Amino acid sequence: AQKITQTQPGMFVQEKEAVTLDCTYDTSDQSYGLFWYKQPSSGEMIFLIYQGSYDEQNATEGRYSLNFQKARKSANLVISASQLGDSAMYFCAMRDYGGSQGNLIFGKGTKLSVKP
Amino acid sequence: NAGVTQTPKFRVLKTGQSMTLLCAQDMNHEYMYWYRQDPGMGLRLIHYSVGEGTTAKGEVPDGYNVSRLKKQNFLLGLESAAPSQTSVYFCASTLDGQPGDYEQYFGPGTRLTVT
Repeated sequence: AQKITQTQPGMFVQEKEAVTLDCTYDTSDQSYGLFWYKQPSSGEMIFLIYQGSYDEQNATEGRYSLNFQKARKSANLVISASQLGDSAMYFCAMRDYGGSQGNLIFGKGTKLSVKP
Repeated sequence: NAGVTQTPKFRVLKTGQSMTLLCAQDMNHEYMYWYRQDPGMGLRLIHYSVGEGTTAKGEVPDGYNVSRLKKQNFLLGLESAAPSQTSVYFCASTLDGQPGDYEQYFGPGTRLTVT
């Protein structure tokens, strides 16, 4: 069965420092995608970054990068130069392309707090 | 483009009442989903649809029904609300579920309280 594990319920980081949010996944499919979403206190789900299972390069989007280690089944999110506005819940999610559903499987999230 | 919209944004129901949540998307997406989010949990799939006229059960379908009569709309119904259905409900859509179709577009959410 597909599963996403986020082992850090909460994290603190000093403003302007980098932070890594951990995510491990489990799937038997060869073709899948890994996602990170940000959920601020206002509640909306904001897409941050995507990594395909066949992508050879780690994905990057501005201050966000995804450290993809396929053999370890990990997909950690790295936020560089943290800002106060980065304080939010962060969810790792996975999508298998082998099945017909196409839905995302979510982890339980990590609450990031950025300290000034 | 409005993207994905949800109606209503907030609702309070009494146990046993019924209601319908409406999700609409204007991106011509084939796939649509209903998730619920409970405290300390990620989103969990309730029902989904892979095209107009089709629906299927997700991980937590009990107590809910859905319909997709038009491609752009996906309705979630609660026939007899229970306090356990107090949650935040998110609708999402995606193009076609194929590799390369990666982003799911989420609506703003509906906060439902059942007393």
